[in-house]
Amino acid sequence: AQSVAQPEDQVNVAEGNPLTVKCTYSVSGNPYLFWYVQYPNRGLQFLLKYITGDNLVKGSYGFEAEFNKSQTSFHLKKPSALVSDSALYFCAVRRSTSGTYKYIFGTGTRLKVLA
Amino acid sequence: DADVTQTPRNRITKTGKRIMLECSQTKGHDRMYWYRQDPGLGLRLIYYSFDVKDINKGEISDGYSVSRQAQAKFSLSLESAIPNQTALYFCATSQPGINYGYTFGSGTRLTVV
Repeated sequence: AQSVAQPEDQVNVAEGNPLTVKCTYSVSGNPYLFWYVQYPNRGLQFLLKYITGDNLVKGSYGFEAEFNKSQTSFHLKKPSALVSDSALYFCAVRRSTSGTYKYIFGTGTRLKVLA
Repeated sequence: DADVTQTPRNRITKTGKRIMLECSQTKGHDRMYWYRQDPGLGLRLIYYSFDVKDINKGEISDGYSVSRQAQAKFSLSLESAIPNQTALYFCATSQPGINYGYTFGSGTRLTVV
């Protein structure tokens, strides 16, 4: 079965420290991987994606993610966390079903950046 | 104005009532989706539509119906609301192709009492 796992419900990090939000996936074929962020009372916003090419993908707000095929992971990272990065983060994989692509979302990880 | 607008933002309704959630978009996207978000479960797809004449069930369509009135409008109905349909509902749009991310509305928080 194709799936996405976010093993941590919550990640706490001090402002200015590097942050990592973990995501692992299980798909057949080539994975198409995405990260979204959800701020309070808002819809999800696209952060970045990996389709093909360079394993390190850069996205919005200084975030980046590293695709690791051998570990089937796509962890979200940022070198220096800001309090304003506090939000709910979703990893997603896009899969093909009967010729159409749909998302499978992870359960989300709440990031709290402490001042 | 937001690219994807959902109304209402919040709604409390009684068990057994019919309720409609509306979504409109100015992105010009052909594809529209309805998801529900529950704590610890992430987002689950209810229905999706690839154009006005195309409606497809998602993974949790039971108890829901949809109507695609125009390219820009996609409504979700609960014919007879039940408490376990209490959730945050999101509409999203996209263009075809693997490369495109989704644009989400701000959500409708629905409580069924």
